[in-house]
Amino acid sequence: SAVISQKPSRDICQRGTSLTIQCQVDSQVTMMFWYRQQPGQSLTLIATANQGSEATYESGFVIDKFPISRPNLTFSTLTVSNMSPEDSSIYLCSVEDDSTYEQYFGPGTRLTVT
Amino acid sequence: GESVGLHLPTLSVQEGDNSIINCAYSNSASDYFIWYKQESGKGPQFIIDIRSNMDKRQGQRVTVLLNKTVKHLSLQIAATQPGDSAVYFCAEKRAGGTSYGKLTFGQGTILTVHP
Repeated sequence: SAVISQKPSRDICQRGTSLTIQCQVDSQVTMMFWYRQQPGQSLTLIATANQGSEATYESGFVIDKFPISRPNLTFSTLTVSNMSPEDSSIYLCSVEDDSTYEQYFGPGTRLTVT
Repeated sequence: GESVGLHLPTLSVQEGDNSIINCAYSNSASDYFIWYKQESGKGPQFIIDIRSNMDKRQGQRVTVLLNKTVKHLSLQIAATQPGDSAVYFCAEKRAGGTSYGKLTFGQGTILTVHP
């Protein structure tokens, strides 16, 4: 299975600032996804990030708030912009294995906005 | 709208017992159903998946059952161990169209295994 790392693992940020989360995979993958998991809740898809194309966002998520980059087949970033306390969540990167189509998750980035 | 949900939010079992975690789904067009295990402070870990044209699939100590008639999915864990304590999520996935690859998650079941 793919090994996924995220940086930072956690952060505490002031409202109004922005944080960029990095996701690194140990193998080349076509499809990468970003999810949000609010405290004690399930996961919600933010956007799909495929290399060579613009990220596609789910209802309720917009590019200005969550800009995403996907410069190559092993890396992606998610920025949480102009943060508010409501953005406090765990942000998770996931990838779909190009061979097995199984989807794997990174360890997550725990964000607290004060 | 489309949703994937769980009947039981918590489940407590004794070590060595078998566990059954249930999930209801509403989108009959889903192609895959997946079970994930999430331990505290970690990302979800893939356990097992099942295609919509199957009704049973077995892995190591786990079995997933799919009943398309009643849109019900279950995860059976044999001889449950304390290390199985975690939150378990079911998720559905479409294999084509604009929703390709996107996972829709259920609410999660907290499994606690008592020694």
